[in-house]
Amino acid sequence: GQNIDQPTEMTATEGAIVQINCTYQTSGFNGLFWYQQHAGEAPTFLSYNVLDGLEEKGRFSSFLSRSKGYSYLLLKELQMKDSASYLCAVRDQTTDKLIFGTGTRLQVFP
Amino acid sequence: GAVVSQHPSRVICKSGTSVKIECRSLDFQATTMFWYRQFPKQSLMLMATSNEGSKATYEQGVEKDKFLINHASLTLSTLTVTSAHPEDSSFYICSARGYGDYGYTFGSGTRLTVV
Repeated sequence: GQNIDQPTEMTATEGAIVQINCTYQTSGFNGLFWYQQHAGEAPTFLSYNVLDGLEEKGRFSSFLSRSKGYSYLLLKELQMKDSASYLCAVRDQTTDKLIFGTGTRLQVFP
Repeated sequence: GAVVSQHPSRVICKSGTSVKIECRSLDFQATTMFWYRQFPKQSLMLMATSNEGSKATYEQGVEKDKFLINHASLTLSTLTVTSAHPEDSSFYICSARGYGDYGYTFGSGTRLTVV
């Protein structure tokens, strides 16, 4: 089975850096995704990690350690529009199912 | 890029009636469709997986007779909520994958309210 945990809520200040952690325990791992979701909307793809290390994409970076079952999403130069939920999701190796973590609601304050 | 069109975006129905939600892949062939449900302030919960031409595989705890999934073609999958009750009120989202596709394309979601 899958068990994917994230902090429920986080707050940060505009212009700052925030790191959102995700820990997972899975029976078969084939990649980890990060999505952003605004209330009432579908998730938007942010990043994908399948190998250990850091993937950087503009203001967003994502890190993966498969041996530790750990990932984080790093958001730099925070903007008010970054206030949203951030979802960590793991792809199952056998079924290709994408299983989502509990989600982290981020609030950015001026 | 790949696009999945999901309709309706919002629907209100009376308790006991059925509601059909459609997801169409517009520019690719969706070999696999995943259906999720999301309650307020919660994450996406996978309900079922359907492959074109096959019966859907449901997650534990999801009633297959209540949530009917059809994936008869490579561009269309439907979810029908039968005999809807207020507790079925939720945000339903589909996600599609195509041949050799590594990513997941999400529909825009359907807000179902059962009164």
